[in-house]
Amino acid sequence: AQSVTQPDIHITVSEGASLELRCNYSYGATPYLFWYVQSPGQGLQLLLKYFSGDTLVQGIKGFEAEFKRSQSSFNLRKPSVHWSDAAEYFCAVGRHSGYSTLTFGKGTMLLVSP
Amino acid sequence: KAGVTQTPRYLIKTRGQQVTLSCSPISGHRSVSWYQQTPGQGLQFLFEYFSETQRNKGNFPGRFSGRQFSNSRSEMNVSTLELGDSALYLCASSLGQGKDEQFFGPGTRLTVL
Repeated sequence: AQSVTQPDIHITVSEGASLELRCNYSYGATPYLFWYVQSPGQGLQLLLKYFSGDTLVQGIKGFEAEFKRSQSSFNLRKPSVHWSDAAEYFCAVGRHSGYSTLTFGKGTMLLVSP
Repeated sequence: KAGVTQTPRYLIKTRGQQVTLSCSPISGHRSVSWYQQTPGQGLQFLFEYFSETQRNKGNFPGRFSGRQFSNSRSEMNVSTLELGDSALYLCASSLGQGKDEQFFGPGTRLTVL
């Protein structure tokens, strides 16, 4: 069965500093990988996704993520964090079977300090 | 294009009651998935409907059920509510393939007293 681990429950970053959120997955084949962001009281918004090909993917709001098969990781990065990036971030893996089911990690809450 | 809408946004029920939540997907999307989000368990998959058929189901008791109509709108029902059913219920719509982006609604916040 597939699973996703986000080892950091909370992360605090100073505004303007760089950010890396960790995500490790378990899946029997090349996975479909996603990063979503959730602001308080809102649904989830897709930041970026990886299906195949180039292992460095660019997303919205200046985010990028790198797929590393050898480490089973899909870490999210941003070079300079803005106060508006404070939110909860979820990594997810999708299935190849055609179903739309996503398995999510527990999430990482990002706090941005001035 | 209108996004995914969920009604109601907030709901308060008492133990033993039943509740029905509604989700209207993005026009043209045939897949609707439901997720339960709680602080302890995070986001957990409930079930997915595609063209009016349930094609995948998560590990939830039979008190949780759903259906999808011919216009792709979906409802989920929870019978005999328990305190532990208090959660944010999120609906997501997509075209229906594994790599399609799922678009999430704002959720329905259910509180069981």
